[in-house]
Amino acid sequence: AQSVTQLDSHVSVSEGTPVLLRCNYSSSYSPSLFWYVQHPNKGLQLLLKYTSAATLVKGINGFEAEFKKSETSFHLTKPSAHMSDAAEYFCVVSESFGNEKLTFGTGTRLTIIP
Amino acid sequence: GAVVSQHPSRVICKSGTSVKIECRSLDFQATTMFWYRQFPKQSLMLMATSNEGSKATYEQGVEKDKFLINHASLTLSTLTVTSAHPEDSSFYICSARTGPANYGYTFGSGTRLTVV
Repeated sequence: AQSVTQLDSHVSVSEGTPVLLRCNYSSSYSPSLFWYVQHPNKGLQLLLKYTSAATLVKGINGFEAEFKKSETSFHLTKPSAHMSDAAEYFCVVSESFGNEKLTFGTGTRLTIIP
Repeated sequence: GAVVSQHPSRVICKSGTSVKIECRSLDFQATTMFWYRQFPKQSLMLMATSNEGSKATYEQGVEKDKFLINHASLTLSTLTVTSAHPEDSSFYICSARTGPANYGYTFGSGTRLTVV
């Protein structure tokens, strides 16, 4: 069985400061992990994904995430927040062997303070 | 890149009527599509997996007769909410796998359904 826990339901940061959105996962097999962003009343956009290659994954819009197996974590970071980063972020896990079901975390709402 | 087009983006219908939502892969073939439901300020819940040319696989607790899914071609999957009730009001999102397993998924822009 697979599961995802997003540790913060809401994160607020000032514009220009670093962003950290935390995600822990549980998986019976080698997982694939994704971060998606959702703006209000919009679909989901893929930020980045980990699929057993490099553990430090770089995504779009300056975001990156590091897969840490020992900590079962896949935290999302960005060095400097921009106003346009305000959105809902979902951490997603999928097991690699024969199971392509995506399991979503509960989401983290990111607010950027001007 | 791979694009999934979902239509309509917003629909209001009366109780008891049916509503069809379309999900199209524009520049790739999608043998498998997924339908999700999202309640306000909550995460996405998988409703069903739609396979081209075969019956959809529904998640536990999802009523097959209420949420009819058809995947008649490699580029089109439809979700029909039958005999809609106010409690069916929600945000529905489809997605399609864009490559090998776990390679990546593209999501539609979602449909806001309001049943009055």
